[in-house]
Amino acid sequence: DAGVIQSPRHEVTEMGQEVTLRCKPISGHNSLFWYRQTMMRGLELLIYFNNNVPIDDSGMPEDRFSAKMPNASFSTLKIQPSEPRDSAVYFCASSDPGQGLNTEAFFGQGTRLTVV
Amino acid sequence: LAKTTQPISMDSYEGQEVNITCSHNNIATNDYITWYQQFPSQGPRFIIQGYKTKVTNEVASLFIPADRKSSTLSLPRVSLSDTAVYYCLVGATGGFKTIFGAGTRLFVKA
Repeated sequence: DAGVIQSPRHEVTEMGQEVTLRCKPISGHNSLFWYRQTMMRGLELLIYFNNNVPIDDSGMPEDRFSAKMPNASFSTLKIQPSEPRDSAVYFCASSDPGQGLNTEAFFGQGTRLTVV
Repeated sequence: LAKTTQPISMDSYEGQEVNITCSHNNIATNDYITWYQQFPSQGPRFIIQGYKTKVTNEVASLFIPADRKSSTLSLPRVSLSDTAVYYCLVGATGGFKTIFGAGTRLFVKA
């Protein structure tokens, strides 16, 4: 398996533009997580899905952020409109809780977003 | 979820054993303790996981006392490539939600 795949790897956009980040989880994993990492705040959990259903989005900073998981193999994180303070590395991760006990999360390489 | 506390940073030299301790006083009965490693420009990577006593794999050992209110990640004979941020996580079975704190930044010097 190629692991968790995120695209794009880098994104530079102007303030006010819409940004869409994409994630393909590991096949068979039914939990998916979106994180944001900055120097100031560290690695924050934004939202996670289980079986394509959003379980907890309490980490989503504000209404400008939205996430969807239309099927088991694809998820998007959208920021509209984007602001300079959204600049960060966004990670997607997946896991397979069906394995029982506790499980590990597998992370993608991240998308480095810069909003100018 | 149980909150964790770990040192912000640590320095070591090549070949030394490094022990990073994490406090999790409010750990629940069904919580497991998991450690991740993150290199610059990469996503975190699973290192080791345990519930009680001692767990060892090819990378590290994890020591958990009987009260489970803390845990210690032990890295034997570190090398320069072990320079990374190490996160201690505590979570319930099923792994539905993984919360990362600030982590411990380990710097290994030659």
